[in-house]
Amino acid sequence: RKEVEQDPGPFNVPEGATVAFNCTYSNSASQSFFWYRQDCRKEPKLLMSVYSSGNEDGRFTAQLNRASQYISLLIRDSKLSDSATYLCVVNDFTNDYKLSFGAGTTVTVRA
Amino acid sequence: DGGITQSPKYLFRKEGQNVTLSCEQNLNHDAMYWYRQDPGQGLRLIYYSQIVNDFQKGDIAEGYSVSREKKESFPLTVTSAQKNPTAFYLCASSPALKWGETQYFGPGTRLLVL
Repeated sequence: RKEVEQDPGPFNVPEGATVAFNCTYSNSASQSFFWYRQDCRKEPKLLMSVYSSGNEDGRFTAQLNRASQYISLLIRDSKLSDSATYLCVVNDFTNDYKLSFGAGTTVTVRA
Repeated sequence: DGGITQSPKYLFRKEGQNVTLSCEQNLNHDAMYWYRQDPGQGLRLIYYSQIVNDFQKGDIAEGYSVSREKKESFPLTVTSAQKNPTAFYLCASSPALKWGETQYFGPGTRLLVL
């Protein structure tokens, strides 16, 4: 079983819509969680860290559900520039706390 | 501008050839990392370095080698022993080796086998 699993999508949404997707992780002892954004053929860039209480950064909201072992990302009022692949990243307790990367969820925002 | 640079952007390897990918950072970060990204898969850790003259194998180190002679530089050599080297290679750095800390990525090198 993969440490981090994501729905690959793609999620195709119109501008202005809300889109949300989850990422599940297998190890209940994981302690750090992140969402990275990766544009086509570019490097990943940190979008936001995910805190236990949930956190918001502008139109982006991240939630952590430890009981069910998933994190979520919600994008409100989608912009064309939000089109990207969103990588879920978790530190892997079973692997010396190294980071485990999901394969990514692709979001396409259309005009 | 502070950041991480990788070169070349594209690299072609012939059978049996060793090639070296460059990674340089001017962020004054102690820790540096090499990842490999294949289509449909998450990034996988090849090697990492906590400090100059020290480095550790990651999850898929076979067929790769690294050196860390300077704080700013962490080159990766893809040897002929790596049988499936075609991938997107990403170098990253962080202030220290703390796995919960943000890692900053370079623009990557695409390696293709001829």
